[in-house]
Amino acid sequence: GAGVSQSPRYKVAKRGQDVALRCDPISGHVSLFWYQQALGQGPEFLTYFQNEAQLDKSGLPSDRFFAERPEGSVSTLKIQRTQQEDSAVYLCASSMWTGGNQPQHFGDGTRLSIL
Amino acid sequence: SQKIEQNSEALNIQEGKTATLTCNYTNYSPAYLQWYRQDPGRGPVFLLLIRENEKEKRKERLKVTFDTTLKQSLFHITASQPADSATYLCAPEGGSSNTGKLIFGQGTTLQVKP
Repeated sequence: GAGVSQSPRYKVAKRGQDVALRCDPISGHVSLFWYQQALGQGPEFLTYFQNEAQLDKSGLPSDRFFAERPEGSVSTLKIQRTQQEDSAVYLCASSMWTGGNQPQHFGDGTRLSIL
Repeated sequence: SQKIEQNSEALNIQEGKTATLTCNYTNYSPAYLQWYRQDPGRGPVFLLLIRENEKEKRKERLKVTFDTTLKQSLFHITASQPADSATYLCAPEGGSSNTGKLIFGQGTTLQVKP
């Protein structure tokens, strides 16, 4: 498709389990972002990739969160030993070039619920 | 640290009126600011980008202003329609890095009544 695709759309996991969330950005887009959105709040930045390089991971809440984009296209956000406070919508966005000053194209997110 | 504030209360207006949403930021001076629309269960959709050297930007029924002295952006929807009902997010650029990361406000929910 032409847009950013995320899977799964919904994920339910038990506390302590590991989860993996996938993002397929728009083909050819250099920049890829992950955001976390709590209910009733705006998205919060987690991490940024320029092609396969992870240039900013300042927003990752703990070392349980890990992201990769090995071939510069598809990205995976992994959360280990999930906690209830990890419950949120995880959004992926891509943009055409490096740097800012341009629109970001968002997927519809993965809604993660930790029981 | 950077802080972004939007009207926390929902904005209810009558169809045909102009909706005005406010975004205030503190503790930094973003080089540009973006506005996004978000519908329930969907990702944000880009609407407009305004740079620090631009006072105003228009696109169809949308208008954005950027006052770097007041540290404020206003977002206007003229001749509003029920289909404009959604949450609108203000997103200045994230400051210290040149990655393009955005810092989002909490969003303002707009309800346009027929």
